[in-house]
Amino acid sequence: DQQVKQNSPSLSVQEGRISILNCDYTNSMFDYFLWYKKYPAEGPTFLISISSIKDKNEDGRFTVFLNKSAKHLSLHIVPSQPGDSAVYFCAARAGGGNKLTFGTGTQLKVEL
Amino acid sequence: SQTIHQWPATLVQPVGSPLSLECTVEGTSNPNLYWYRQAAGRGLQLLFYSVGIGQISSEVPQNLSASRPQDRQFILSSKKLLLSDSGFYLCAWRAGGSYNEQFFGPGTRLTVL
Repeated sequence: DQQVKQNSPSLSVQEGRISILNCDYTNSMFDYFLWYKKYPAEGPTFLISISSIKDKNEDGRFTVFLNKSAKHLSLHIVPSQPGDSAVYFCAARAGGGNKLTFGTGTQLKVEL
Repeated sequence: SQTIHQWPATLVQPVGSPLSLECTVEGTSNPNLYWYRQAAGRGLQLLFYSVGIGQISSEVPQNLSASRPQDRQFILSSKKLLLSDSGFYLCAWRAGGSYNEQFFGPGTRLTVL
């Protein structure tokens, strides 16, 4: 039962353009969402997060949008840079829980 | 600042051999600790987590076990490795309380032959 889904395994974007990574979830108990970035053979690094009481959170080039009614969140990266090429995971936490549930990841490739 | 260490970085083991992967965290007290596995082409699967010394929660039945002998030490073990145990093992920590973000170590690449 995949409670957090990233339906696009890969995405290719030109440098300078916007990258939009999508994530859907099924568990209505999720109240906090996170995005992680992972390079090969390294651990994931935390990027940005959003609480369910908000619909948008912005940090520099990264913005996360949350649509609770659709159970959908997205990560926008603008402008995209070659160094953004990595696998991006979304994750969700159910209220008060100790665990995160991760999606399967989307491989982003930013081309020159 | 907090840092998390994992070793070894890579490991090649024969089927049936034992396993011990270690994770330590510096710069924080009483963290929540986590073991994940990323199999080839797949997402992050939570294996175990611990909220305190000697407290281990197992997420999936498997050939592995975890222990937390000290506050900032988390160990992943197996008595007999299977081919299916191959993967990238990640340790993570989270501050206790209401913090949500988990921070990951550099990972261990395990190949079982």
